[in-house]
Amino acid sequence: GAGVSQSPSNKVTEKGKDVELRCDPISGHTALYWYRQSLGQGLEFLIYFQGNSAPDKSGLPSDRFSAERTGGSVSTLTIQRTQQEDSAVYLCASSVQFGEETQYFGPGTRLLVL
Amino acid sequence: QQQVKQSPQSLIVQKGGISIINCAYENTAFDYFPWYQQFPGKGPALLIAIRPDVSEKKEGRFTISFNKSAKQFSLHIMDSQPGDSATYFCAALTGGSYIPTFGRGTSLIVHP
Repeated sequence: GAGVSQSPSNKVTEKGKDVELRCDPISGHTALYWYRQSLGQGLEFLIYFQGNSAPDKSGLPSDRFSAERTGGSVSTLTIQRTQQEDSAVYLCASSVQFGEETQYFGPGTRLLVL
Repeated sequence: QQQVKQSPQSLIVQKGGISIINCAYENTAFDYFPWYQQFPGKGPALLIAIRPDVSEKKEGRFTISFNKSAKQFSLHIMDSQPGDSATYFCAALTGGSYIPTFGRGTSLIVHP
């Protein structure tokens, strides 16, 4: 595709429900990153993938958060038993390979937990 | 612990004026300093970046000034335009990490 795409663009859910957020990176990009952007805050790094491997999961806020990437392309960020503090914009970015300083961001998924 | 401190949080400038956003960092291992521009409803996009071996980099109306000894860097937008209205994030990376540490962002409004 022309750029990084994310779906859904908006998600409203009830506290306690599980949500899945999807990211389609730029074709050919092997590195993929997830960030969380809360109101008035900067971008908080969550996790990155090099291929299908996620070497560092320490940025995930809690064990309710998990992510996977299959086929070296699409990635899914799953939040289980959502809490109101999970409300934020979840951004995905990709780069040609890990170590490339330029990351290309998607438009984000705006998650609201009621 | 906030490793990159960005100010001001918000900025209002008249068309044609100069917008200045400042960032300060603590980790001397940082060796790449990008600025991102984010429009409402969009993801951040790389605007301009600098390495610590130069003190200034200019691209069109956008200039980064870098002060290694003070551990500070700033973005200057000359002849600011209403289309520049966006949120700007500074960031810093180390060569070994490649994961940016972001400032909290500056909301810039340029009045016509």
